[in-house]
Amino acid sequence: AQSVAQPEDQVNVAEGNPLTVKCTYSVSGNPYLFWYVQYPNRGLQFLLKYITGDNLVKGSYGFEAEFNKSQTSFHLKKPSALVSDSALYFCAVRPNSGGYQKVTFGTGTKLQVIP
Amino acid sequence: SQTIHQWPATLVQPVGSPLSLECTVEGTSNPNLYWYRQAAGRGLQLLFYSVGIGQISSEVPQNLSASRPQDRQFILSSKKLLLSDSGFYLCAWSGTSKGELFFGEGSRLTVL
Repeated sequence: AQSVAQPEDQVNVAEGNPLTVKCTYSVSGNPYLFWYVQYPNRGLQFLLKYITGDNLVKGSYGFEAEFNKSQTSFHLKKPSALVSDSALYFCAVRPNSGGYQKVTFGTGTKLQVIP
Repeated sequence: SQTIHQWPATLVQPVGSPLSLECTVEGTSNPNLYWYRQAAGRGLQLLFYSVGIGQISSEVPQNLSASRPQDRQFILSSKKLLLSDSGFYLCAWSGTSKGELFFGEGSRLTVL
């Protein structure tokens, strides 16, 4: 069975500092990996994905994520945090194999950017 | 461009009453459609998914049901709501069986 772990319930970072939100995964075979952001009382918004190729993936709003196969990690990063980045972030994984494959989400990490 | 609409945004219903949440997708054809429930503002639980008209798969046993009467319409229903059905319900679609999901704005259901 596949799983996603987001070990930090909350991450606090000062505005202007770099941020990292951690994610590790477990899946049979190769993974499709995703990051989503959710603002209060809103739906999830897709940020970026890793399918194959370059391990560093760039996404929306200046976010990027680094795929590390040996550590089974897909950490979300941003060089300089904004107060408006404060939100709930979800990592998700889907097996890269034939047919429909279920998406498994992590439990989310609350990012608080302090002015 | 593709858009997803979900309504109503907020719903307060008494225990034992019926439920109907609707979701439609525009700008694409034959999407994969999903219903999720988010409890306590965190974990996402997949309730149903559909890869085509009339094809519904249920992930968890419950008193909810889903239907897909048209290609881009997905409906979540209940005949009799329970207190435990309260939560934030999210509809989503994907263009392929492996692609990223695109979510609606959600429907907050409170059962009293």
